[in-house]
Amino acid sequence: QKEVEQNSGPLSVPEGAIASLNCTYSDRGSQSFFWYRQYSGKSPELIMFIYSNGDKEDGRFTAQFNKASQYVSLLIRDSQPSDSATYLCAVNKGTGNQFYFGTGTSLTVIP
Amino acid sequence: ETGVTQSPTHLIKTRGQQVTLRCSSQSGHNTVSWYQQALGQGPQFIFQYYREEENGRGNFPPRFSGLQFPNYSSELNVNALELDDSALYLCASSFQTGGGETQYFGPGTRLLVL
Repeated sequence: QKEVEQNSGPLSVPEGAIASLNCTYSDRGSQSFFWYRQYSGKSPELIMFIYSNGDKEDGRFTAQFNKASQYVSLLIRDSQPSDSATYLCAVNKGTGNQFYFGTGTSLTVIP
Repeated sequence: ETGVTQSPTHLIKTRGQQVTLRCSSQSGHNTVSWYQQALGQGPQFIFQYYREEENGRGNFPPRFSGLQFPNYSSELNVNALELDDSALYLCASSFQTGGGETQYFGPGTRLLVL
C-alpha cells in the first residue's frame, strides 16, 4: 500500500469554478500535510501546509484535513488558467523528516 | 523564489559514470533533503542531512551518497549510473526543530543517463 494516494486526473474545470483535489494517506500517525504545485518542467512550489484537523484558508486556497478518514484535500476557488499545473500532496509521518509524496493530480483550468 | 539553488541545471552522462550534484540551502536553514522525481511520478526521498550528518534515508542503494558542509550546502553523488537514474533531482531545504518542517525546493537538476 502506498503511503500517499492521489487521483492522477487529469481534472478539468472551467475558469472561475472550484477545483477540488484529494489525497489519502495510509499511516494514522501522520502529523503534517503539505500541498505543492508543480508546473511542467519546474520544481514543486509550496502552496499550503496543515497540521491539525479542520480547514485552513489562504486566499483562494483551502486545505482540509480529516484525521478519522485519513484524507486531506485542497480546494481552489475562482480557478484561473494560471492554476493549471500538477498538484502534489506530501505527508510527514512525524518520525523523522521524510516527506512522502503522491504521484500528483494534473489540473487544467479552461478559459 | 525559495533561495535554494542547485547546479548544474542539466546534465548528460553515460551508463557507468559518476555524477555530483550540488545544492545551496536557503539562508538560515540547517537541513537539506534530496529527492528523485521520475517523469510522471512524485518525488521520492533519497536522504536528508542535518548539521552535516545523514538524518534518514529512503529506499535507494549505497551508490547514492551525500555530504553536507558547514555552511549547510550539500552534494549528492551517484556512482555507477544506470539508465533508470535519469530523472529530476530535487534538493529541499528546511529549518529542523522537531519534525515536519516545511521544505522548500530548489529548481532541480535534470539528469539524463544514456
